[in-house]
Amino acid sequence: NAGVTQTPKFRILKIGQSMTLQCAQDMNHNYMYWYRQDPGMGLKLIYYSVGAGITDKGEVPNGYNVSRSTTEDFPLRLELAAPSQTSVYFCASRKRSGKPTDTQYFGPGTRLTVL
Amino acid sequence: GEDVEQSLFLSVREGDSSVINCTYTDSSSTYLYWYKQEPGAGLQLLTYIFSNMDMKQDQRLTVLLNKKDKHLSLRIADTQTGDSAIYFCAEITGNQFYFGTGTSLTVIP
Repeated sequence: NAGVTQTPKFRILKIGQSMTLQCAQDMNHNYMYWYRQDPGMGLKLIYYSVGAGITDKGEVPNGYNVSRSTTEDFPLRLELAAPSQTSVYFCASRKRSGKPTDTQYFGPGTRLTVL
Repeated sequence: GEDVEQSLFLSVREGDSSVINCTYTDSSSTYLYWYKQEPGAGLQLLTYIFSNMDMKQDQRLTVLLNKKDKHLSLRIADTQTGDSAIYFCAEITGNQFYFGTGTSLTVIP
């Protein structure tokens, strides 16, 4: 299994540009999550999905959109990039069985800079 | 959202013990977790503790939970340079995980 993969690894955007961060998992996990990580701030949940066709907002959803058309893929869309969206973005997935060891598996991250 | 707090930095000498502390707010959390993040990588699960336990030991790792004070700690015995990383505690509420701010552990040779 490749686990959770994210592309691209790095990206620089100009203010107002749009882009899609890709996330895919091959573990047949029901749940998928998008986080952003800012220095000294820990991880903040942007959006999550409990299955194909279902998405929910997390703590910091403004400026982002997601879709979940398949179990494997959970892309994150930035429509009008702003400097405040400069961050490292992590995608994660999790199996839904109620066991504590069914924790989140994280991708390697996408480092985004908006200038 | 829930508040999960940690001190930002910790330095220890190689061979000493490290203790990383965490406070959380949701007393209904069933599990609490510790994750490790190495430079340039995502988070990896280190260990977890069920909320009705006080302590859990896993090789060099000891997790202590004080549910009354909502305080969680991670002790790493015989800390090695390979333990240098950022450590996050996390609690789960419903379908969402809430992560602490992370503690950057530096191990001095």
